[in-house]
Amino acid sequence: KAGVTQTPRYLIKTRGQQVTLSCSPISGHRSVSWYQQTPGQGLQFLFEYFSETQRNKGNFPGRFSGRQFSNSRSEMNVSTLELGDSALYLCASTSNSGGPYNEQFFGPGTRLTVL
Amino acid sequence: GNSVTQMEGPVTLSEEAFLTINCTYTATGYPSLFWYVQYPGEGLQLLLKATKADDKGSNKGFEATYRKETTSFHLEKGSVQVSDSAVYFCALSEGGGGADGLTFGKGTHLIIQP
Repeated sequence: KAGVTQTPRYLIKTRGQQVTLSCSPISGHRSVSWYQQTPGQGLQFLFEYFSETQRNKGNFPGRFSGRQFSNSRSEMNVSTLELGDSALYLCASTSNSGGPYNEQFFGPGTRLTVL
Repeated sequence: GNSVTQMEGPVTLSEEAFLTINCTYTATGYPSLFWYVQYPGEGLQLLLKATKADDKGSNKGFEATYRKETTSFHLEKGSVQVSDSAVYFCALSEGGGGADGLTFGKGTHLIIQP
């Protein structure tokens, strides 16, 4: 089974631009979560989507948004980029099979650099 | 809100040494607890988990016990190898199903010297 894939792996943008990152979950997984990883703040939860609906959102400004498509692929968008948005953005997919815990499988991440 | 505290390191050990990475948490309910590992240039991999008090998670020689009374989930390994060099993250989830997201500690950079 293929793992979680994220594209692109690396991005360089300038302040004020916007960016879209893509995540393809493991086949059959319907839940996709996004995280931001920075040296200063560590790993922080951005949002989670299940069956095209956002179920939960972390404490990030409205410039950060996302969506999920009917095939469970997800995109996140950051508008009006700031230097502080430079980070590794990780996507995780979950099977939501109904057990006590549904493991989150992480992709390799997209490294975004804002100049 | 929820939080996870762990030693940040770097922690440098010699091969075959005993490893302990401390992790304590604050949560409003009864969370599930996890250790994730991140190797250079890669995403996170689940190392082990425990979903209720007194559960012991184990994998690849690593162990951690869910201690509700001390709100801790310390990671241990009896004899580390150079290949264990990585960043280790302690995390919790209240929902368990992914929707609530994971709350992570800052990560502990482990360096094992031959």
